[in-house]
Amino acid sequence: DGGITQSPKYLFRKEGQNVTLSCEQNLNHDAMYWYRQDPGQGLRLIYYSQIVNDFQKGDIAEGYSVSREKKESFPLTVTSAQKNPTAFYLCASSSGTGSYEQYFGPGTRLTVT
Amino acid sequence: GENVEQHPSTLSVQEGDSAVIKCTYSDSASNYFPWYKQELGKRPQLIIDIRSNVGEKKDQRIAVTLNKTAKHFSLHITETQPEDSAVYFCAASGGAAGNKLTFGGGTRVLVKP
Repeated sequence: DGGITQSPKYLFRKEGQNVTLSCEQNLNHDAMYWYRQDPGQGLRLIYYSQIVNDFQKGDIAEGYSVSREKKESFPLTVTSAQKNPTAFYLCASSSGTGSYEQYFGPGTRLTVT
Repeated sequence: GENVEQHPSTLSVQEGDSAVIKCTYSDSASNYFPWYKQELGKRPQLIIDIRSNVGEKKDQRIAVTLNKTAKHFSLHITETQPEDSAVYFCAASGGAAGNKLTFGGGTRVLVKP
């Protein structure tokens, strides 16, 4: 199952609160990604980072923020500006330039009420 | 950007029969096409991938074919078993989007015993 961990597995928050999802990898991968998955749908890219201290917006970045201060860590903050934050969030990593294979963490299921 | 269409959205097969899932992509520069299997509540798992310099790749009961001219690729599962029941996602990358993966909408496969 690779060396990608996400915590917690389930997360519950009240509307209006920011929440940070953790993603850690010990694969020495350069690139890391955050996806959102809604029931019965595919994966949509939120943010990605090809290298430490650099990241780019994906297709649905509004209402989210990230940081990449360490190679092994890529936390995602779901802000109160995200209109529909309840979803399954998946983190992935790949070795970087020249290698496209992405390996996924176990995911965090976020419920906001 | 890249757009990936996947069909069918659901597929029901009898155990022992074959299953075929098809995907089309829009960016002719894309050169990497992975397939992921996702069981309910679990992370997507890479099951097979193909690069644009290859027309077909096989791994035991699964195979992927690529037609670069038509910009489509397919997953073939032979001798299906109940444990093949899952959601399958195709993806494409390597074109203008670089290492980013663009996913299809998924196919829910049900293998009936």
